Amino acid sequence: LAKTTQPISMDSYEGQEVNITCSHNNIATNDYITWYQQFPSQGPRFIIQGYKTKVTNEVASLFIPADRKSSTLSLPRVSLSDTAVYYCLVARGAAGNKLTFGGGTRVLVKP
Amino acid sequence: GAGVSQSPSNKVTEKGKDVELRCDPISGHTALYWYRQSLGQGLEFLIYFQGNSAPDKSGLPSDRFSAERTGGSVSTLTIQRTQQEDSAVYLCASSFGGTAGNTIYFGEGSWLTVV
Repeated sequence: LAKTTQPISMDSYEGQEVNITCSHNNIATNDYITWYQQFPSQGPRFIIQGYKTKVTNEVASLFIPADRKSSTLSLPRVSLSDTAVYYCLVARGAAGNKLTFGGGTRVLVKP
Repeated sequence: GAGVSQSPSNKVTEKGKDVELRCDPISGHTALYWYRQSLGQGLEFLIYFQGNSAPDKSGLPSDRFSAERTGGSVSTLTIQRTQQEDSAVYLCASSFGGTAGNTIYFGEGSWLTVV
């Protein structure tokens, strides 16, 4: 299973763009990259998923370089309500069990 | 139901007692996961069920922990002889299948406090 490494924490201010990079050097060919957001006292919530290049939805963008050994979650114009822990998950296709989360990145958005 | 449902949402138990935590996955989801999250910590994998296959129990921390899934739907996580270090939130998640491209959806968790 691909091990992931993320920064422990990041601070930002309202209106700024937040970029969180996750390293996954031993990602396998059929692994997908998924990001989750977790607020205190709640279960994690799906944000975005990608395999390669760039994916964008109404919440975030996900940038994946050609070698796929890292990925960057981009949150545009964050607000105070984006303060949360963000998890990067790399999971295998054929044996996509035992989905192992990394330690997550605590993002604090300040006014 | 519309989402993953877990019960109880909160449980306080005395050390040494057994507890059962229930998870009702999203209808049609064949994969079910249990995770544990201690206060301020990350998600610790416990066990994974996929269809009728033998579960992956490799994350269970001790033989006091067990889980079953009846009829391929509802799952129960049982902790015997609870210890204070078992205090955590226990999160259940489900997905359409155990493949990477399938999004997993989490419940709100069962908060366990052992006193």
